[in-house]
Amino acid sequence: GDSVTQMEGPVTLSEEAFLTINCTYTATGYPSLFWYVQYPGEGLQLLLKATKADDKGSNKGFEATYRKETTSFHLEKGSVQVSDSAVYFCALSGDAGGTSYGKLTFGQGTILTVHP
Amino acid sequence: NAGVTQTPKFRILKIGQSMTLQCTQDMNHNYMYWYRQDPGMGLKLIYYSVGAGITDKGEVPNGYNVSRSTTEDFPLRLELAAPSQTSVYFCASSYAYRGKDTEAFFGQGTRLTVV
Repeated sequence: GDSVTQMEGPVTLSEEAFLTINCTYTATGYPSLFWYVQYPGEGLQLLLKATKADDKGSNKGFEATYRKETTSFHLEKGSVQVSDSAVYFCALSGDAGGTSYGKLTFGQGTILTVHP
Repeated sequence: NAGVTQTPKFRILKIGQSMTLQCTQDMNHNYMYWYRQDPGMGLKLIYYSVGAGITDKGEVPNGYNVSRSTTEDFPLRLELAAPSQTSVYFCASSYAYRGKDTEAFFGQGTRLTVV
């Protein structure tokens, strides 16, 4: 079945540092890929998404590129802020031609803490 | 815009009690999901539904039941609460049809403690 693997956390950075959170996936065909963010005490909200190979999703300074050849969707930000402290989840939605179409599968989440 | 609404926000149950977590969405989404999130862990899919009248098991369905009688509502039933069901529960919805799909929208969560 589909699966998503994220880098082990937590990640602790100083403000203005460069952020990378690795995400790889296993799925047939061309799933849609997502990054969700969860701030303390809240539900998840979409950060960015990509729906086909080589697409780059971006939002709020975060970027991720859909790499079919390496089955990856790594999250990056050039300069993190204290307000970016949250839990980040990589997720996929199965290929439109497959049995898992529309069904979201999440990675285990990565806790990011940014210090001033 | 209400989006996805979950009730209650908090609940304490005694072992063996039953309860229903309510979830409703007003976006006419066909897909709805229930996830649980244990402390320090990711989200595990309990049940999901691709439309009214259709439900299917996720990774961790034991101890839970669901129904989807309308597009809007997707309640989650715990019949005999156990301490292992202490968790935060999230309901979500999305739209997926013939290759056109939206992001998933999440409710605020229900924090359940079984004692």
